[in-house]
Amino acid sequence: GAVVSQHPSRVICKSGTSVKIECRSLDFQATTMFWYRQFPKQSLMLMATSNEGSKATYEQGVEKDKFLINHASLTLSTLTVTSAHPEDSSFYICSATQLAGGTQETQYFGPGTRLLVL
Amino acid sequence: SQKIEQNSEALNIQEGKTATLTCNYTNYSPAYLQWYRQDPGRGPVFLLLIRENEKEKRKERLKVTFDTTLKQSLFHITASQPADSATYLCALDMLNSGYALNFGKGTSLLVTP
Repeated sequence: GAVVSQHPSRVICKSGTSVKIECRSLDFQATTMFWYRQFPKQSLMLMATSNEGSKATYEQGVEKDKFLINHASLTLSTLTVTSAHPEDSSFYICSATQLAGGTQETQYFGPGTRLLVL
Repeated sequence: SQKIEQNSEALNIQEGKTATLTCNYTNYSPAYLQWYRQDPGRGPVFLLLIRENEKEKRKERLKVTFDTTLKQSLFHITASQPADSATYLCALDMLNSGYALNFGKGTSLLVTP
């Protein structure tokens, strides 16, 4: 149980284009979803916290107009990287906490999306 | 600011031995601490959570200790196997961010036959 999927698993795009990444909780309803970014040999850095039906809360230094988050349902959150640039190339990982049946402190992570901007 | 430190150097051990990984933190009084496993190119997988009022927790071959005085957690894998080779991440709750986590950089473990 508690499976989180992400799509796509990897994407290559041209500079200036937008990329959408989907995060789904497959077998549970997620109270909250989180978006992290991980550069090579670095720790996961929280970008934003997303609750269904409300605006995402962004961490300091993360541009909300560049990284658009939509949390349409209790099982789906999307991250859109707008006007992507090479410095946005990274590993984007989402996670979710369970609404019921588990401790809300535990996060279930998706497999990640590798973004390469040329 | 909150800081989490894990051994930056990779840990190489022989199969069957016990691996011990360290997580130290500063400027923090976390309500709980978690350990995750991350394989290359994959998302982290939850292993164990230990709360501030717990000294030790076990799960199969895994054992975690939590010393809030030393501000340190130790993560042990007994009877280690090559399949245990991965990066292990320590994570603490972020202040004022709901259930968001603050992660250490992780320690890479290599278990050789």
